[in-house]
Amino acid sequence: DVKVTQSSRYLVKRTGEKVFLECVQDMDHENMFWYRQDPGLGLRLIYFSYDVKMKEKGDIPEGYSVSREKKERFSLILESASTNQTSMYLCASSPDPVGYTFGSGTRLTVV
Amino acid sequence: ELKVEQNPLFLSMQEGKNYTIYCNYSTTSDRLYWYRQDPGKSLESLFVLLSNGAVKQEGRLMASLDTKARLSTLHITAAVHDLSATYFCAVGGPGGGADGLTFGKGTHLIIQP
Repeated sequence: DVKVTQSSRYLVKRTGEKVFLECVQDMDHENMFWYRQDPGLGLRLIYFSYDVKMKEKGDIPEGYSVSREKKERFSLILESASTNQTSMYLCASSPDPVGYTFGSGTRLTVV
Repeated sequence: ELKVEQNPLFLSMQEGKNYTIYCNYSTTSDRLYWYRQDPGKSLESLFVLLSNGAVKQEGRLMASLDTKARLSTLHITAAVHDLSATYFCAVGGPGGGADGLTFGKGTHLIIQP
């Protein structure tokens, strides 16, 4: 089975901190994605990447950046964390239109 | 801009009953996904529908896709408590899987004994 691993299950950070959320997949997928999930809003796409060093903005990229230096790893960066970035963050990877696999999520609280 | 609307957003039903969750989307797509999420957990893939008229069934759940009407349904037959969860539909963009999914807001389903 494809595994998408997010390094932290829970994180608490202070306002203004630089925050790194890490995601690793073990099946050589080209496509990787970062979503945030908020109650009543569903999942919203932040950034995605279809290849190493390639990145594309999703629907809500403001306040975030990403890094993909290796195919298996896709990092989400909060340059200066703010309280409105408190959320559940989900990483996903996919080799094709059928096979999206999601990680277990990182619940980030910014205080 | 692709928009995905699910309804209802909240559903409380009794065991043994049938019900349908609806998913409408605003622009042409040939990829429709249904996911289940339990509290505090990640998303579990239920169905992937890739063509007009596609119907898939797993246990008490059946999903269908009408691309002309831009509508998918998730039908629950003879509901049981274990099906209590939040169900999301998601629609693929034109990038063939490389450009992410647009999700509905989810249907929070509670099935009471």
